[in-house]
This record gives sequence, C-alpha cells and structure tokens, in this order.
Amino acid sequence: EAGVVQSPRYKIIEKKQPVAFWCNPISGHNTLYWYLQNLGQGPELLIRYENEEAVDDSQLPKDRFSAERLKGVDSTLKIQPAELGDSAVYLCASSPRQGARETQYFGPGTRLLVL
Amino acid sequence: SQQGEEDPQALSIQEGENATMNCSYKTSINNLQWYRQNSGRGLVHLILIRSNEREKHSGRLRVTLDTSKKSSSLLITASRAADTASYFCATDVGGANSKLTFGKGITLSVRP
Repeated sequence: EAGVVQSPRYKIIEKKQPVAFWCNPISGHNTLYWYLQNLGQGPELLIRYENEEAVDDSQLPKDRFSAERLKGVDSTLKIQPAELGDSAVYLCASSPRQGARETQYFGPGTRLLVL
Repeated sequence: SQQGEEDPQALSIQEGENATMNCSYKTSINNLQWYRQNSGRGLVHLILIRSNEREKHSGRLRVTLDTSKKSSSLLITASRAADTASYFCATDVGGANSKLTFGKGITLSVRP
C-alpha cells in the first residue's frame, strides 16, 4: 500500500512569492490533515478535512494561507504571499474511516525555505 | 498550543540499554499516542493508548498511562542504533473536536 505522497519535497522561494504544496493521501482515507512543523517543535495542525469539507481550520492563518481538497482526495495548501517566518516543514497526514481511525499516517513533508 | 510536554528533551544511551521517555499533559484526553520521526522524514505512529488503559506493549515498546497524574511514559527496551530519532507524544481529546496535539519531542541518540 502506497503511503501519503507529498510534493515537492523541498522548496526555496523569495519572500512575497506564492507557493503551493500538494498531498495525495492513502487510498480510501477520508480524513486529511495539514500540519506545520517548526524546527525543534512538534507538528501543529493547520486544517483538517473530512472528505472535501474543512471541519477544523481554526489554526489556519487565513490572510495568507488557503487550502482545498477537491473531490475529497488530493489536497493543496497555498501560501500567498510567503513571509520569512513561514520557513518550516509542512506535513500532510491522513487517517481511515474504519479501523484505527485515530491513527494518522504522515507523508515525508515539504521543507520550505523563504529567503 | 502544545499540550504534551516530553521529558527529557534529549537522551543519549548505549546500544542495548533501555530508554525511558515521559510525557505530561494538561487536559482530559480520549487517547494518547507516541510517534517517531527520523531525521528529515515524516512521523511514524508507534502506539496508541486509550484513557481507560494503563499499559500497552508493542514489540520492544511499552507505554503506560496514568490519567490521575496526566502523564505517560514510553519505554524502549534493548535499544538499537536504528532507534535514534525524535519521539513525540500526542494527545487527542476525542469526539467532534478530535485532533492530535503534539509535544515538542525528545531527541534520542543510541550509540553503537
């Protein structure tokens, strides 16, 4: 079974530029999460989707961040414009509807560096 | 905000020794989970313990949960160099607001 796929793995941009991250969850997983992980810290939830509905986006900075999950499968997280403080690792995770639904399966992440 | 706080922040042991890591949290939980993160990679789920459980085992891993003290411990027995990683505890309050809240993590180094 393929794991959670994220791309790109690394991204370097200049401040004020836009950037987008893509995530493909494990097949059949209805719940999808985006996390932000700063250096030396644990992941912090940005947004959670149940199918195509964003059920928890309370931690998403909506002035510059946006996300979508069309058709309830792949998801894209966008930052526009990026700031220096956005440099971090962006992790995507998914969990199944049935079985161990509390367990989250993480992708390798996208490491963003804003110059 | 991060609910779980791991202790110690860093741990260095010799291969073959046991490693004990602790996690404390503040509010009532539905379950507590431990994850491992190798350098530059995503997190991998290790074990989940529910609020009505006191101890769980998985291979060389043993997790305990004391809800009265709001704390958990992760024991790795007979450690290996491959266990070198960061370990995070994450709490889930469950229900409609179910989501994981991670601690800052513990860096474990196992010397060959």
